[in-house]
Amino acid sequence: DTAVSQTPKYLVTQMGNDKSIKCEQNLGHDTMYWYKQDSKKFLKIMFSYNNKELIINETVPNRFSPKSPDKAHLNLHINSLELGDSAVYFCASSQARDQGPLHFGNGTRLTVT
Amino acid sequence: TQLLEQSPQFLSIQEGENLTVYCNSSSVFSSLQWYRQEPGEGPVLLVTVVTGGEVKKLKRLTFQFGDARKDSSLHITAAQPGDTGLYLCAGARGFGNEKLTFGTGTRLTIIP
Repeated sequence: DTAVSQTPKYLVTQMGNDKSIKCEQNLGHDTMYWYKQDSKKFLKIMFSYNNKELIINETVPNRFSPKSPDKAHLNLHINSLELGDSAVYFCASSQARDQGPLHFGNGTRLTVT
Repeated sequence: TQLLEQSPQFLSIQEGENLTVYCNSSSVFSSLQWYRQEPGEGPVLLVTVVTGGEVKKLKRLTFQFGDARKDSSLHITAAQPGDTGLYLCAGARGFGNEKLTFGTGTRLTIIP
């Protein structure tokens, strides 16, 4: 059983398109996150979502929006994709906002052409 | 400005050798975590150190948190090909995992 699963694994799309990445965790965790890993492997948090409380990294463009239908799911929707959005996006979860290590999914490699 | 600088950025050594990876900052952290990431996968937590000066061992891996809680090191003894991966340190400052800052990473390759 995969603890944190995200789909798709690879996503290739053109500039200006809108796309979504899905994430599900079966760990019963309360908090979920989206991270962006750039070409230099630097990992930076984008959002955390805990009990309907959204904490946003102020550097994230508003073209990015997380959507959580329930505690086990946190999807990432991206509008008007740009070349600079190309990266690997990781979903993660933790037991609570301040408790437990991060459990990461295997990433979604987004390529914008 | 990167809060957590790791060195070296790249390291390629022969199987059986020892190595040390460093994670340095000018900031104080309440705790520090080390992750290993393999190609095509997400980072996996190896260890968390909390107390200044703390040393934790995980088989051939030894992790140390600096006395001032600004830096950390990872020492691997008798490296094996299975140790190959991207090693990331991550420092916690304040309440909430969203305040976890990741380091710049060390890409380690162990040559059989």
